[in-house]
Amino acid sequence: DGGITQSPKYLFRKEGQNVTLSCEQNLNHDAMYWYRQDPGQGLRLIYYSQIVNDFQKGDIAEGYSVSREKKESFPLTVTSAQKNPTAFYLCASSPDYNEQFFGPGTRLTVL
Amino acid sequence: AQKITQTQPGMFVQEKEAVTLDCTYDTSDQSYGLFWYKQPSSGEMIFLIYQGSYDEQNATEGRYSLNFQKARKSANLVISASQLGDSAMYFCAMREGWDNQGGKLIFGQGTELSVKP
Repeated sequence: DGGITQSPKYLFRKEGQNVTLSCEQNLNHDAMYWYRQDPGQGLRLIYYSQIVNDFQKGDIAEGYSVSREKKESFPLTVTSAQKNPTAFYLCASSPDYNEQFFGPGTRLTVL
Repeated sequence: AQKITQTQPGMFVQEKEAVTLDCTYDTSDQSYGLFWYKQPSSGEMIFLIYQGSYDEQNATEGRYSLNFQKARKSANLVISASQLGDSAMYFCAMREGWDNQGGKLIFGQGTELSVKP
């Protein structure tokens, strides 16, 4: 089945550690996105990528990094520089910069 | 300045009745897109409906319709014949410009809809 997968579903991190969230899609979409959602809030854009080997910062990129070495993969690293990383992280992809298809999300908790 | 405003943090509706969720937006672009997504308690975002700024007709998808009033910059979602499974958070979102801007979405704060039996 075509779709977007994110792993892990739940992630716990100690302060000062870097962690990487996985996002994979087999929809052959060019564009991919990472969003952060805090409780009771809407989604905010962290990074996005329109093609392989290219990505741009979104509204809240500080403390995060990404790579896009393959069309189907867009991993997000939450670095120790991110002061308040506990949140729900959603990955999305789009074939035409219109409708975005979302993955199931990863809940990150800093202990 | 907030670009997408959803003024109703929470709404209640009786099962089988219609409900309107409000959304206003702010943009100076002529070309933009408006989206509604549903987020159940499990967390995934489910696409409901899309309206392009140049579309003259209001978008409809099954029980969902988008009441697009361009001059007022509003894009309200209407759900007809509410069902218990409609209970969820609903987000309005906007894409400004076209593909040279990467299709980034700006989301509102959301409205939590509760359907009463």
